[in-house]
Amino acid sequence: EPEVTQTPSHQVTQMGQEVILRCVPISNHLYFYWYRQILGQKVEFLVSFYNNEISEKSEIFDDQFSVERPDGSNFTLKIRSTKLEDSAMYFCASLLRDGQTQYFGPGTRLLVL
Amino acid sequence: AQSVTQPDIHITVSEGASLELRCNYSYGATPYLFWYVQSPGQGLQLLLKYFSGDTLVQGIKGFEAEFKRSQSSFNLRKPSVHWSDAAEYFCAVGARGGSNYKLTFGKGTLLTVNP
Repeated sequence: EPEVTQTPSHQVTQMGQEVILRCVPISNHLYFYWYRQILGQKVEFLVSFYNNEISEKSEIFDDQFSVERPDGSNFTLKIRSTKLEDSAMYFCASLLRDGQTQYFGPGTRLLVL
Repeated sequence: AQSVTQPDIHITVSEGASLELRCNYSYGATPYLFWYVQSPGQGLQLLLKYFSGDTLVQGIKGFEAEFKRSQSSFNLRKPSVHWSDAAEYFCAVGARGGSNYKLTFGKGTLLTVNP
């Protein structure tokens, strides 16, 4: 069964450093998402992406965040200057079309020191 | 804006007992509804979903949920819990915007299963 993959599984970085989280969505899917889950809290929507542009973003998704689909397979989330509060599990998801299921990747656990 | 309430933060049941996890939502239209399960340190696994049609939906691992529009609820049930069901359960509503939807999650219910 096709699945969403994410790399790395864990990343530790210093405050102020840039990080790029990578996702490979399911190959024929059209919509891509990033969510995050701070330890012990609920999963929160960050951004959705379709047709090479952002469809919607949350208040969390400020100028420090950006997303990109650099080629036909990868979908990346970049945090330009990480803060301690960016420490969280980041989930990528993809969707074929409306009325279908979003499939989640296994997550990247980011720790900012 | 849409929201999801899971009133029970933590539930403990004995193995073999029945289970019901509550979920209430707030959304201006008929929502897409989901239950996900998360084991410690793991990702999110879809248990079941409701998009339209029959309001009683069956999922994996013997779970089912019923959409009750009048109560704005989508409670998850299982007739007989197994020790391997111990995990955190998240209810989510899919709010449509344009040609797709984003998920809004509840805070989760942690399920402990006693032997």
